[in-house]
Amino acid sequence: DIQMTQSPSSLSASVGDRVTITCRASQDIGSWLAWYQQKPGKAPKLLIYAASSLQSGVPSRFSGSGSGTEFTLTISSLQPEDFAIYYCQQAKSVLPYTFGQGTKLEIK
Amino acid sequence: QVQLQQWGAGVLKPSETLSLTCAVYGGSFNSFYWTWIRQPPGKGLEWIGEITHSGSSSLNPSLQSRVTMAADTTKNQFSLRLKSVTAADTAIYYCARGNGLYIRSGGFDIWGQGTMITVSS
Repeated sequence: DIQMTQSPSSLSASVGDRVTITCRASQDIGSWLAWYQQKPGKAPKLLIYAASSLQSGVPSRFSGSGSGTEFTLTISSLQPEDFAIYYCQQAKSVLPYTFGQGTKLEIK
Repeated sequence: QVQLQQWGAGVLKPSETLSLTCAVYGGSFNSFYWTWIRQPPGKGLEWIGEITHSGSSSLNPSLQSRVTMAADTTKNQFSLRLKSVTAADTAIYYCARGNGLYIRSGGFDIWGQGTMITVSS
């Protein structure tokens, strides 16, 4: 399996801050990486696919970058509704697709 | 607007079989991979497997000996069966839409509402 490791596991930030979450893959996955946001009691929501493509309807303050084994999700100016758990997912190898352990973004 | 609606029994005893169904409304059933993902309480996400309208499936090796997936094109539904459940299978189970059959995006863009499955004696 391809292991996905996110850092940090948790993060405290304030409204208006710029925040970056990192995801590392245990092997080269090219640009086959997606990012999700999950709020309590809700299904995950796709934010970014193919490492840097913004899913339709997602605010432009979210951006993704990277390739190979290292990827980042950046929120340019945190809004109150952005406090949630964020997951990365590798989409290169279907056996199996794997997720990072999650990063909890909390209000400072 | 594509929506997924899922249902199934929420409480099971050890050794029983989990059975979930997900209906696809408002979009093409024949053009995508349809996926099951689970999330134990307070934990991360685990991909269970995917299936196409024709029944072609890929399963997580860690679960494949216990998992069966099926697709019903007459109802635009797909289903998951997980046999011999234990407490470790307690989780929220989600259905989701994956890659297109011909255009691969890499993400799961539409999700069902989730079903909490509890395995307890």
